[in-house]
Amino acid sequence: EIVMTQSPVTLSVSPGERATLSCRASQSVSSNLAWYQQKPGQAPRLLIYGASTRATAIPARFSGSGSGTEFTLTISSLQSEDFAVYYCQQYNNWPPYTFGQGTKLEIK
Amino acid sequence: EVQLVESGGGLVQPGRSLRLSCTASGFSFGDYAMSWFRQAPGKGLEWVGFIRSKPYGGSTEYAASVKGRFTISRDDSKSIAYLQMNSLNTEDTAVYYCTRDRYSGSYYYFDYWGQGTLVTVSS
Repeated sequence: EIVMTQSPVTLSVSPGERATLSCRASQSVSSNLAWYQQKPGQAPRLLIYGASTRATAIPARFSGSGSGTEFTLTISSLQSEDFAVYYCQQYNNWPPYTFGQGTKLEIK
Repeated sequence: EVQLVESGGGLVQPGRSLRLSCTASGFSFGDYAMSWFRQAPGKGLEWVGFIRSKPYGGSTEYAASVKGRFTISRDDSKSIAYLQMNSLNTEDTAVYYCTRDRYSGSYYYFDYWGQGTLVTVSS
């Protein structure tokens, strides 16, 4: 089973600033990596797939990069609606599909 | 507009069974694989299982934690995916989500999620 590790656990950033979230896989997942956003009481929403492709209707301020074992989600200029929990997930080696433990992005 | 609506959650005693439904609309249901995920209160996301579309055999895969207890099926005529859960225990308490699975280069990712249904296993 591939273990996904996200850092940091909590990230405090001011609105308008840039946020950088990291995700590491215990072995290569190629570019088969997705990022999700989850707000309290809501379902996860797909942001990025294929490590760097934005999903439908996702704003351009969200970008993903990386391949192999190291990945990054960048939010270029934080808006109030971006404060949430973010999960990375690999879909290269399955079953099982595995997620990171999440990064909570909070307002500084 | 793609919509997935889960139903069937509730309070159930340990050892009992429950069946969840995921009703889909806004896309050609029979062309897509579907998955179930869950999230225990205050915890992260866990994949539960998956069913391929009929053109790809309609077969299923399960997480080790539920294999032998949970069964996923589908009724393409009604655009519904099911999660039959037997021998429930307290560790199965979670919000259960269904997803539409996109096939891309031999891999699946999960582009639409339902709003979830809460299953509480307690005596």
